[in-house]
Amino acid sequence: GEDVEQSLFLSVREGDSSVINCTYTDSSSTYLYWYKQEPGAGLQLLTYIFSNMDMKQDQRLTVLLNKKDKHLSLRIADTQTGDSAIYFCAESIGQAGTALIFGKGTTLSVSS
Amino acid sequence: DADVTQTPRNRITKTGKRIMLECSQTKGHDRMYWYRQDPGLGLRLIYYSFDVKDINKGEISDGYSVSRQAQAKFSLSLESAIPNQTALYFCATSDGPGGWTNTGELFFGEGSRLTVL
Repeated sequence: GEDVEQSLFLSVREGDSSVINCTYTDSSSTYLYWYKQEPGAGLQLLTYIFSNMDMKQDQRLTVLLNKKDKHLSLRIADTQTGDSAIYFCAESIGQAGTALIFGKGTTLSVSS
Repeated sequence: DADVTQTPRNRITKTGKRIMLECSQTKGHDRMYWYRQDPGLGLRLIYYSFDVKDINKGEISDGYSVSRQAQAKFSLSLESAIPNQTALYFCATSDGPGGWTNTGELFFGEGSRLTVL
């Protein structure tokens, strides 16, 4: 069945770049997503990439998509303490884009 | 006001009790979802609905039921709560599958934390 895998923890220092990796299984997913969850809050869409793109840049965020390897990454440049959160990779499943399935989430810890 | 509102935000109950978590939305979306979040397990889909007459099971529907009372309301029930249903529950909405006209993203409520003793 469909599955999304990502590492559980990442620790970086303020000002460094953070790279969070994800692998997925459903090659028919039209979009792939990165969500951010801050403590005590719900998930908010951080960014997304259309499946026919290799890269998307949005300010400090860079998303890279390797469809051949089904690998997605999120790079955060100049990481700040406010970026500390859980980051979820997600893909859509089903021919009708039935729902999103999520990875287990990567907890990013940023130290000053 | 939040676009997706969940009530209650926190609930502590005892084993065997019936619990209902409610979700309402002002986004006008047809699609609504219930997910469960457990530490280290990410989000898992419980039920989803594409309109008032459409209810579908997700990957972990056992022990849960849902009701879509209106386009804007989708409630999740635990008929007889058990301790391993202790989790953070999220309601989400979507305006459709990802395609040329929309991204298929989900919009989440703030979550309902349920503790079953």
